[in-house]
Amino acid sequence: AQTVTQSQPEMSVQEAETVTLSCTYDTSESDYYLFWYKQPPSRQMILVIRQEAYKQQNATENRFSVNFQKAAKSFSLKISDSQLGDAAMYFCAYRPMYSGGGADGLTFGKGTHLIIQP
Amino acid sequence: DGGITQSPKYLFRKEGQNVTLSCEQNLNHDAMYWYRQDPGQGLRLIYYSQIVNDFQKGDIAEGYSVSREKKESFPLTVTSAQKNPTAFYLCASLTGGYGELFFGEGSRLTVL
Repeated sequence: AQTVTQSQPEMSVQEAETVTLSCTYDTSESDYYLFWYKQPPSRQMILVIRQEAYKQQNATENRFSVNFQKAAKSFSLKISDSQLGDAAMYFCAYRPMYSGGGADGLTFGKGTHLIIQP
Repeated sequence: DGGITQSPKYLFRKEGQNVTLSCEQNLNHDAMYWYRQDPGQGLRLIYYSQIVNDFQKGDIAEGYSVSREKKESFPLTVTSAQKNPTAFYLCASLTGGYGELFFGEGSRLTVL
């Protein structure tokens, strides 16, 4: 079974600085997707960024970028120029590309609570 | 606008009562999911449905039931057999592109 581990229950960063959230995963699959979701106080889950495992290039979305290390099974999220609106729970998630008979849903980590200090 | 609507947003239930959470989507997605979220636990899969009239148990299905009579609708019933039902419940559907989930705003269930 796949597992996703987020080892940082809580992180704090000063506004305008850079912060990196860690995520590791365990899988025997070679083709899969990885995601970072943000859950602000409103509780709705919002997709931040995704990465296809077959792509070597790290995904980037504006101030959000990932460091994807396939061999190490590591998928960290870097937030540059942190803003107050970035304060939220961040969840790392995994999905195999070919789900076969299993669930197509995502496997989530337990989350990292990001605090932005003004 | 396309999206997922969950209702009610807040629900209170007395012990021993069944309660049904509604999930409706107009995204024309085939697959739909129910997740439960507890503090410090992340999201755990309750049930999923890949097609109308078919659904499968997830990791924590005990005490829950679902139906999928229409593509747009995937209601979740929390039965009296669920020992600890107080939680935040999220409904989602699967996009066809990269397989990410699109979520509703969630329903908060509190057992009194």
